[in-house]
Amino acid sequence: GAVVSQHPSWVICKSGTSVKIECRSLDFQATTMFWYRQFPKQSLMLMATSNEGSKATYEQGVEKDKFLINHASLTLSTLTVTSAHPEDSSFYICSARLQGAGETQYFGPGTRLLVL
Amino acid sequence: DAKTTQPPSMDCAEGRAANLPCNHSTISGNEYVYWYRQIHSQGPQYIIHGLKNNETNEMASLIITEDRKSSTLILPHATLRDTAVYYCIASNTDKLIFGTGTRLQVFP
Repeated sequence: GAVVSQHPSWVICKSGTSVKIECRSLDFQATTMFWYRQFPKQSLMLMATSNEGSKATYEQGVEKDKFLINHASLTLSTLTVTSAHPEDSSFYICSARLQGAGETQYFGPGTRLLVL
Repeated sequence: DAKTTQPPSMDCAEGRAANLPCNHSTISGNEYVYWYRQIHSQGPQYIIHGLKNNETNEMASLIITEDRKSSTLILPHATLRDTAVYYCIASNTDKLIFGTGTRLQVFP
């Protein structure tokens, strides 16, 4: 149980285009999902907290207009990187919080984005 | 959330116990200690968490000192597949703030 998936697993896009990444909790409902970014040889950095049915809460320094987050259902959150640039190339990871179990977060496998 | 301190790297022989320490001297009473690991190019994997008492599951054991200022994650019989970066996180909120973790290398 407690499986989180992401799609796509990797994506290459041209500079200036937008990329959408999906995060799904497959076997549980998640009222809260989180988006992280990880650059090579660095730790995970929390970008935003996504609550079902409400606006996401962004961490300091993360542009909300560039990283659009939608949490339309209890099993799906999406992150859209708008007008992507090479510096947005990174490993994007989502997690979903399983309620009723010490608020454990379970992570997806990540999406590797390369912007050319 | 309390800051945690972990050694940057450790080695362990295959089949032996791996004991990964974590210092969280400023932890508050309602903060849990979480352990995750990240194998290269994958998302973090939940291992175990605890508040005060020692915990054990099929993956590992978590030993928390009585004053809760430090903890140790124990992998009882390390295998090559346990090679990963291990993160210790103290948190009482939704957020998990990752530090730099301990890079555990299990060797044959």
